[in-house]
Amino acid sequence: KAGVTQTPRYLIKTRGQQVTLSCSPISGHRSVSWYQQTPGQGLQFLFEYFSETQRNKGNFPGRFSGRQFSNSRSEMNVSTLELGDSALYLCASSPTGGMGNTIYFGEGSWLTVV
Amino acid sequence: SQQGEEDPQALSIQEGENATMNCSYKTSINNLQWYRQNSGRGLVHLILIRSNEREKHSGRLRVTLDTSKKSSSLLITASRAADTASYFCATGTGANNLFFGTGTRLTVIP
Repeated sequence: KAGVTQTPRYLIKTRGQQVTLSCSPISGHRSVSWYQQTPGQGLQFLFEYFSETQRNKGNFPGRFSGRQFSNSRSEMNVSTLELGDSALYLCASSPTGGMGNTIYFGEGSWLTVV
Repeated sequence: SQQGEEDPQALSIQEGENATMNCSYKTSINNLQWYRQNSGRGLVHLILIRSNEREKHSGRLRVTLDTSKKSSSLLITASRAADTASYFCATGTGANNLFFGTGTRLTVIP
């Protein structure tokens, strides 16, 4: 079974631009969540989607948004990029996102904002 | 703020030795998961332990959970150079919303 796939793996953007990151969950998994990892703040939860609905959201500004498609694939978007948005963005999937689910992560997308 | 804190922040051992990492968390949990992250890579799931479990094994890994002390430990036995990585504990209440600790950076010297 293929794991969680994220694209692109690396990208460089300029301040003020926007970026879209893509995530394909493990086949059969319907819950997809996104995390941001930075040296200063560590791993932080962004949001979680299940059946195309956002169920949970972390403490990030509205510039960070996401969506999920009917095939469970998900995208996250960051608008008006700031230097502080430079980070590793990780996508994770699980069957239902319920208690006791093992949560699997992708390799991440490295975003550098210059 | 992060839910958990790992201790120690960094650990350096010789190959073949055992490595123990500890994790403390703040609120009640349903389960706790341990992950490994190699430099610049994604998180690899190691083991999940439920709140009603006290100990769990997987290969060379042993995880304990003490909900009364709000703490967990990860023991890696007979360490190998390939175990060099950062290790994180994460607590969850469902909905894929994990709270991660600060991580322990393990270096295994060949």
